[in-house]
Amino acid sequence: GAGVSQTPSNKVTEKGKYVELRCDPISGHTALYWYRQSLGQGPEFLIYFQGTGAADDSGLPNDRFFAVRPEGSVSTLKIQRTERGDSAVYLCASSSQTRAFNEQFFGPGTRLTVL
Amino acid sequence: GENVEQHPSTLSVQEGDSAVIKCTYSDSASNYFPWYKQELGKGPQLIIDIRSNVGEKKDQRIAVTLNKTAKHFSLHITETQPEDSAVYFCAATYDQAGTALIFGKGTTLSVSS
Repeated sequence: GAGVSQTPSNKVTEKGKYVELRCDPISGHTALYWYRQSLGQGPEFLIYFQGTGAADDSGLPNDRFFAVRPEGSVSTLKIQRTERGDSAVYLCASSSQTRAFNEQFFGPGTRLTVL
Repeated sequence: GENVEQHPSTLSVQEGDSAVIKCTYSDSASNYFPWYKQELGKGPQLIIDIRSNVGEKKDQRIAVTLNKTAKHFSLHITETQPEDSAVYFCAATYDQAGTALIFGKGTTLSVSS
């Protein structure tokens, strides 16, 4: 079956601009996570959705970052007033609510470059 | 919070040799330890995981061991092949939905033929 998909695969923007990154989780997966991966590092947690609600947003670095999941499926990560330090690969993962454990399946990521 | 250390950062082996990557974690309550393989330009792929109720798990050429007392876990790849070349990440977390994975910094494995 289809895995997690993310669009766009690459996004280049200028400092100060607004960007939206989209994640389409595995069909039927109610849990959705966003992570950020800087060059040479492991992914770092940003936010977790269970259904439509953000159950844990403790990883969001500041209030320029926001994410939504209005219908409990597709999620959009929104970054306002982008800064050069926001440049990274943004990864989305999903997992199944029907399983008792925490297997997370990742998408290919969106590489964001802020000039 | 949880902290995961991973060693080595780079590992070069000859095809057919074994490779071992080691991780340590700090939170004794962590009970789920997945390993991911990440190829260039792709997202992390779950390759094997272990829970704290077992000490070892195998899947063909890969195996993972867990020492809860020492808070160590390791990935073992036998009979390495060039297609095993990638960055490998370990992670630690609680085995419940909604808990963030805490990753190590990764190991770049190079298998030369």
